[in-house]
Amino acid sequence: AQSVAQPEDQVNVAEGNPLTVKCTYSVSGNPYLFWYVQYPNRGLQFLLKYITGDNLVKGSYGFEAEFNKSQTSFHLKKPSALVSDSALYFCAVRDFGPSGGYNKLIFGAGTRLAVHP
Amino acid sequence: SQTIHQWPATLVQPVGSPLSLECTVEGTSNPNLYWYRQAAGRGLQLLFYSVGIGQISSEVPQNLSASRPQDRQFILSSKKLLLSDSGFYLCAWSEGQGGLEPQHFGDGTRLSIL
Repeated sequence: AQSVAQPEDQVNVAEGNPLTVKCTYSVSGNPYLFWYVQYPNRGLQFLLKYITGDNLVKGSYGFEAEFNKSQTSFHLKKPSALVSDSALYFCAVRDFGPSGGYNKLIFGAGTRLAVHP
Repeated sequence: SQTIHQWPATLVQPVGSPLSLECTVEGTSNPNLYWYRQAAGRGLQLLFYSVGIGQISSEVPQNLSASRPQDRQFILSSKKLLLSDSGFYLCAWSEGQGGLEPQHFGDGTRLSIL
């Protein structure tokens, strides 16, 4: 069965420092991976995806993610954090379940990022 | 460009009352549609998804139901709400059938049951 794990409930970073939000996955077949961000009382916003190709994927708001097949990871990164990056971040993987749910996503539990001035 | 609308933004309902939440998508045809519930600002639970008019798949047995009366309209309903139905309900849409495209979310409905 497909699954995704975000091992950190919260990540604290000082403004201007690099940030990493971790995600690991388990799938049968090729993984389709996504990162989303959620601000308070809002829906999720799509940041970036990995389908195939370069292992370093660039997305919105200066975020990027590195796909590592051997470590089954897809960590979200940003070279210099902003206070406005403080939000809840979700990693997701496409569901290849036996019901043929190719259009479904499995979401991680979320990681709260706090960027301090 | 495509947009997704959910309403109402907040809703307070007594236990045992009915529920109807509506979601509409503009600017695309034959989207995949989804209803999620998010508890306590954390993980998302997929409730229903639909790949076409009248085609609804239920993920979790419960007292909620979903309908898709039109191509770009998705409705979440209940005949009698329970306290446990409180939460943040999110509608989403995606394109295509291969799972390559991301889901795009509305701004949600915060439902409180009294």
